Amino acid sequence: DSGVTQTPKHLITATGQRVTLRCSPRSGDLSVYWYQQSLDQGLQFLIQYYNGEERAKGNILERFSAQQFPDLHSELNLSSLELGDSALYFCASSVGVGRGTGELFFGEGSRLTVL
Amino acid sequence: GENVGLHLPTLSVQEGDNSIINCAYSNSASDYFIWYKQESGKGPQFIIDIRSNMDKRQGQRVTVLLNKTVKHLSLQIAATQPGDSAVYFCAESYTQGAQKLVFGQGTRLTINP
Repeated sequence: DSGVTQTPKHLITATGQRVTLRCSPRSGDLSVYWYQQSLDQGLQFLIQYYNGEERAKGNILERFSAQQFPDLHSELNLSSLELGDSALYFCASSVGVGRGTGELFFGEGSRLTVL
Repeated sequence: GENVGLHLPTLSVQEGDNSIINCAYSNSASDYFIWYKQESGKGPQFIIDIRSNMDKRQGQRVTVLLNKTVKHLSLQIAATQPGDSAVYFCAESYTQGAQKLVFGQGTRLTINP
């Protein structure tokens, strides 16, 4: 158990809809990262938050947004969903801002299916 | 552009043998490399890392080799066990850390009894 909690584990929705994925980092970790894992793209970095502020941005679509709350949990919002958004979405956390070590602690993921 | 790719998508080894998983990277600015293991139904798990000023690093039953000349990374697993069955990802970074990790496509390691 990595200590990172993601909900929901599975989600099925329709095209055009909006969903919110939730992540609770390990106790004491200030950084939260979101990754998308799909069969054709592998693991893709989306965005990182550190102590409530956005710190790094990857290949995140404009239809997607995220935030980190004062209690350090994070939410990833996916809107105007398309079939291609079907994927596993992972949250990971680290103690610091992400410098000095590449050790991330990943949750078990939220599997999104868009029909 | 940045691209971390793996030479072999699947690798089958006999239990007890050594496994070697390879990875090629293309970003010459990458200065830090990490191997992750992902078991079925779980998130990736950190195995070992290496910085660009090193060419070899050893952990418990694992060794990572870095050849910057040919931009090649490998993970060696000694005495492979059934619990080693997983998908292995290499990842590269140019930030000396976890920010903006670029993951390769992954190699599935299966263990034959």
